[in-house]
Amino acid sequence: NAGVTQTPKFQVLKTGQSMTLQCAQDMNHNSMYWYRQDPGMGLRLIYYSASEGTTDKGEVPNGYNVSRLNKREFSLRLESAAPSQTSVYFCASSESTGGAYEQYFGPGTRLTVT
Amino acid sequence: QKEVEQNSGPLSVPEGAIASLNCTYSDRGSQSFFWYRQYSGKSPELIMSIYSNGDKEDGRFTAQLNKASQYVSLLIRDSQPSDSATYLCAVKSWAGSYQLTFGKGTKLSVIP
Repeated sequence: NAGVTQTPKFQVLKTGQSMTLQCAQDMNHNSMYWYRQDPGMGLRLIYYSASEGTTDKGEVPNGYNVSRLNKREFSLRLESAAPSQTSVYFCASSESTGGAYEQYFGPGTRLTVT
Repeated sequence: QKEVEQNSGPLSVPEGAIASLNCTYSDRGSQSFFWYRQYSGKSPELIMSIYSNGDKEDGRFTAQLNKASQYVSLLIRDSQPSDSATYLCAVKSWAGSYQLTFGKGTKLSVIP
């Protein structure tokens, strides 16, 4: 039982390049989330998927797109990377039924945009 | 704008002492409250959740919730150097929301 997994762990991009961050969970959770964490800013929600087939914007969605591929997988795409997107990206999941809203995090992706 | 406030620290306590971490939130309708521990360079790890007023104990950890004062705290008894980390408070606001609002965290340092 791996929990939440993310790939890649590290990535360096040049300005304007694109990439997709992958996330998968094996806990049969309904909801999945993408956050970024920057020094002094805390965790900020980029997008979330309340259930398979739905996605919604969070606090900082500009410059990102997401796909809920199936119940297990939720990907985050940067179409044209900018230095302001240098950050640590975390994926999380939660059951979101029966009052169980605890979120469980993956190990993170450390992205640098030069 | 829903806000979750924490003292950024660092909070330094000697080994064996009680560490007290505090969090206030702005949305009076908030329903669920969580404490996460984050070691440097690692991802947040859930350590406690609390939903009702009062205390909830789990080993050396006690979460305390006071909805009237919009205040949630985490006590760590018999603090150990391995407890040195940043502690994040997270709040789920309303019944239909799936989102958590996170505080910026309090950095705890336990001195041997």
